[in-house]
Amino acid sequence: GQNIDQPTEMTATEGAIVQINCTYQTSGFNGLFWYQQHAGEAPTFLSYNVLDGLEEKGRFSSFLSRSKGYSYLLLKELQMKDSASYLCAVKDSNYQLIWGAGTKLIIKP
Amino acid sequence: IAGITQAPTSQILAAGRRMTLRCTQDMRHNAMYWYRQDLGLGLRLIHYSNTAGTTGKGEVPDGYSVSRANTDDFPLTLASAVPSQTSVYFCASSDGTSDTDTQYFGPGTRLTVL
Repeated sequence: GQNIDQPTEMTATEGAIVQINCTYQTSGFNGLFWYQQHAGEAPTFLSYNVLDGLEEKGRFSSFLSRSKGYSYLLLKELQMKDSASYLCAVKDSNYQLIWGAGTKLIIKP
Repeated sequence: IAGITQAPTSQILAAGRRMTLRCTQDMRHNAMYWYRQDLGLGLRLIHYSNTAGTTGKGEVPDGYSVSRANTDDFPLTLASAVPSQTSVYFCASSDGTSDTDTQYFGPGTRLTVL
C-alpha cells in the first residue's frame, strides 16, 4: 500500500527553527509537495521537490532524498503566524497526490 | 480574480437527502479534483477530471458522483447522504500541463449529515 508518515504534532518557540519530517512509500514518485493549512482554511502551496537536495524559499526550505523516501520542511525564524498544519504529499506513478495526515505546528511565545 | 469558489460554505443535511456541492474556477485550469478531509486522516481524493468532458474515480468514490460539462465547473453530488459523509470537502484545480502541476484549493465546504 501507499503510505505517507509525518509527526502528528510539534511545538516550537517563536524565533527558533523547526524541522518537520515526512517519510513515504508510494507506487512510483513524481514529486513531493508541502502545503500549509491554517485551522479552518484551505491548504496553500509551499514547495515542490522532484530532485534530491534542498530547495530554499525565504524562511522555508524543503529537502528531498528519493533513495531514502524522505523529505523535511525547515522553518526558520518562526513567527506566531506559522502556527498551522503542514501537509506532505507525494505524486505517485498515476500522477495522483497521496497525502499525509499533516503535522500540527504549535508556536509558543 | 477569485481563483476557486465553493458553495455552500457549510451545510447540515438529513440522511437520505440529495446534495450537490458546487465548485467553480476562473483560472482556466484543465484539471479539477474533489477531496474530503477528516480528522487524523490525510486528504482523500474522491473524483477528478483531467479535462472538460472526462472524469475519473479517486480513492473514495462510493456514494459520490461528478460531472465536468465545461472547464470552469465541477459539481460533486451525494445522491443519498449518509452520516459517514460528514466531512470537510475541498475542491482543487491545476493546469494539468506543467511538470509541477501544483494544485490550488477552494475554501472548502463543511458538511454535516445527521
